[in-house]
Amino acid sequence: EDQVTQSPEALRLQEGESSSLNCSYTVSGLRGLFWYRQDPGKGPEFLFTLYSAGEEKEKERLKATLTKKESFLHITAPKPEDSATYLCAVRALTQGGSEKLVFGKGTKLTVNP
Amino acid sequence: DTEVTQTPKHLVMGMTNKKSLKCEQHMGHRAMYWYKQKAKKPPELMFVYSYEKLSINESVPSRFSPECPNSSLLNLHLHALQPEDSALYLCASSQGWGWEKAFFGQGTRLTVV
Repeated sequence: EDQVTQSPEALRLQEGESSSLNCSYTVSGLRGLFWYRQDPGKGPEFLFTLYSAGEEKEKERLKATLTKKESFLHITAPKPEDSATYLCAVRALTQGGSEKLVFGKGTKLTVNP
Repeated sequence: DTEVTQTPKHLVMGMTNKKSLKCEQHMGHRAMYWYKQKAKKPPELMFVYSYEKLSINESVPSRFSPECPNSSLLNLHLHALQPEDSALYLCASSQGWGWEKAFFGQGTRLTVV
């Protein structure tokens, strides 16, 4: 069964305290790993797509990396406005041969000033 | 314009009511999606339309009925819902099949009483 596991479930950081979020996956034939940011009561906001091991993407204070089994979202010198739930999703094949996006449960990040 | 617009933002309906959720995008995207998200849970895929044809139905109960009148619009018709159907309903769209840079709307917060 395709699984996407994110850790930790919740993370509290002080402003400026860098850290990483983890997304591990077990899917048959990875066709893309996606990171989203979601603020309470709002839709997810697309951040990155990664396709192959060794790939890295950066955007402001965020950097996403990918290995064959997991992805990391590194947050450098976070600010309070980075507080949100970060969702990881993996593009996977269903039994019927179509594709679906499998989401992890997310990591709720709180950055204190 | 990189927006996916959902209306209404909030909806309260009784179990005998019929209502519709609307989603609109003008980015020329040919794939559109409905997701359901319960509190503190990741989004769950409900339906996928690709080139205005229903391509994925994740075994959603028939009280939810999707409709894609044209390439810019996606509706979700609701009838005889149950209280457990209360959730945030998210619409998303992407350029092609595969969720590349999928854009999500802000969601409709649905409460069934």
